[in-house]
Amino acid sequence: AQTVTQSQPEMSVQEAETVTLSCTYDTSESDYYLFWYKQPPSRQMILVIRQEAYKQQNATENRFSVNFQKAAKSFSLKISDSQLGDAAMYFCAYRGNAGNMLTFGGGTRLMVKP
Amino acid sequence: NAGVTQTPKFQVLKTGQSMTLQCAQDMNHNSMYWYRQDPGMGLRLIYYSASEGTTDKGEVPNGYNVSRLNKREFSLRLESAAPSQTSVYFCASSEGPGLTYGYTFGSGTRLTVV
Repeated sequence: AQTVTQSQPEMSVQEAETVTLSCTYDTSESDYYLFWYKQPPSRQMILVIRQEAYKQQNATENRFSVNFQKAAKSFSLKISDSQLGDAAMYFCAYRGNAGNMLTFGGGTRLMVKP
Repeated sequence: NAGVTQTPKFQVLKTGQSMTLQCAQDMNHNSMYWYRQDPGMGLRLIYYSASEGTTDKGEVPNGYNVSRLNKREFSLRLESAAPSQTSVYFCASSEGPGLTYGYTFGSGTRLTVV
């Protein structure tokens, strides 16, 4: 079974600075998808960014980018120019190519200091 | 607004009581899911329905039952609630298995069993 690990329960960043959230996963599949979700205090799960494993190029969405290291099974999220609205729980998630299930990591709580 | 609607948003049950969590989506998605979220453990899959008429167990199905009433609706039932089922429950949907997009989530139900 696939597992997803987020080793940082909490992170803190100064407004306008850059922060990187870590995620590692374990799988025997060669083709899969990776996601980062944001959960603000409203509880809503919001898709931040996704990465297809067969793509070598790292995904980017405005201030959010990933560092995908397939051999190391690492998928970190970089937030540039952090804003107060970025404060939330962030979840890394894995989805196999043929499967239905999203497997989530335990989450990282990001705090943004003004 | 299009999306996933969950009811109720909050519920308190006594041990041994039963209840059904309702979920409906209006995006014509084929697949629907129920997850529970507990502190430090991320989201764990309870049951899913890959398509109308099918349901399958996820990672933590014990104590729950589901019904895929039609393409739009997917309900989760607790027959005899236990304090261990205190959690936040999320319903989600996706276009189908094996696709690249993540899920669309409902806003969650906070359930407390006393």
